[in-house]
Amino acid sequence: KQEVTQIPAALSVPEGENLVLNCSFTDSAIYNLQWFRQDPGKGLTSLLLIQSSQREQTSGRLNASLDKSSGRSTLYIAASQPGDSATYLCAVRRSNDYKLSFGAGTTVTVRA
Amino acid sequence: SAVISQKPSRDICQRGTSLTIQCQVDSQVTMMFWYRQQPGQSLTLIATANQGSEATYESGFVIDKFPISRPNLTFSTLTVSNMSPEDSSIYLCSVDFAGGLKPYEQYFGPGTRLTVT
Repeated sequence: KQEVTQIPAALSVPEGENLVLNCSFTDSAIYNLQWFRQDPGKGLTSLLLIQSSQREQTSGRLNASLDKSSGRSTLYIAASQPGDSATYLCAVRRSNDYKLSFGAGTTVTVRA
Repeated sequence: SAVISQKPSRDICQRGTSLTIQCQVDSQVTMMFWYRQQPGQSLTLIATANQGSEATYESGFVIDKFPISRPNLTFSTLTVSNMSPEDSSIYLCSVDFAGGLKPYEQYFGPGTRLTVT
């Protein structure tokens, strides 16, 4: 069974600081890994998708890395803004049945 | 990509009643997924709905409690039956695409926030 852990559970930073969010998973047999953003009471917005053969993906201020062998992914958000305040979820897709396993999320607060 | 809409966006229901949640996708998809997110928790898959066949339920979820319909390739409903306060959650509809530039990228609807009193 795939276990996905996100550390820290919550993070508060001043505006302008870089954010580092961690995701670890127990089974390295993955098809891809996806980072999502969730605003309170809302659905999930896809931020970045990394295929198992890739090492990183970038979109604007966001960069996600993947180290499949060690079971880790990191989401970097550069120059944080108050609008980045949200919960960030990591989801790992298993390669055997393509099912997603979600982490519990990291709740980020960016202080103006 | 996919644009997914859900109705209702939120509801407050009395225990013992049922609520049907609708999910509409702007393109045809083979599989649609229903997730539950209980307060302060992460997402749990309830079932996978294929058009033209019975939904496949995950461990801990049963058809009598969460009946699902999938009448065509763009629409699905989830019913939460005989509700109790423990059913208070956000219910999310989701799809993925097996092909294309980003195979198996998952998309989610805006969610239905259900409160059972």
